Amino acid sequence: QKEVEQNSGPLSVPEGAIASLNCTYSDRGSQSFFWYRQYSGKSPELIMSIYSNGDKEDGRFTAQLNKASQYVSLLIRDSQPSDSATYLCAVRDDKVIFGPGTSLSVIP
Amino acid sequence: EADIYQTPRYLVIGTGKKITLECSQTMGHDKMYWYQQDPGMELHLIHYSYGVNSTEKGDLSSESTVSRIRTEHFPLTLESARPSHTSQYLCASTGFGGYTFGSGTRLTVV
Repeated sequence: QKEVEQNSGPLSVPEGAIASLNCTYSDRGSQSFFWYRQYSGKSPELIMSIYSNGDKEDGRFTAQLNKASQYVSLLIRDSQPSDSATYLCAVRDDKVIFGPGTSLSVIP
Repeated sequence: EADIYQTPRYLVIGTGKKITLECSQTMGHDKMYWYQQDPGMELHLIHYSYGVNSTEKGDLSSESTVSRIRTEHFPLTLESARPSHTSQYLCASTGFGGYTFGSGTRLTVV
């Protein structure tokens, strides 16, 4: 059974701080990795995709991938209250497997 | 620019009624999916399709059924709704990257 694991949280950070979200996956053959943001009552929204080892930056978001360690992370710099949401890690092999999500709360 | 559409957005229906949740996408994606999600809980895959006339059950057993007669359309049907079917139903599609989700249908069976 292919698995994607995340810390369930909730993770609380003060406004302006860096939020660090972590994810591990079990299928060593996975090639595509995604981070989704889901606000309460809304559908998931794709915010980052990463396919190769290293860092990928997009505005305040940085995704990090380490395939040897089967580890994906998402850093949010200068966290804002509007970043408060559940963040889903997803790994694609045949289908996309979603993690359970980490709830992030940014405190003003 | 939502390219995947779900209707209705909200539905309250009585026990025993037949319902169809609509999902359509304009991206030409072959792969489409239905997820069920309760508030604050994980996404559960209930059905997927890799193309016209192709449908498969997902990881979570569901009493719903799906059809895929046209590439752009992937409706989900419940023949006899029950209160246990109360949930949010999310439709998604993909090309070669991540999934694009519709806005979801929040179903309440009373």
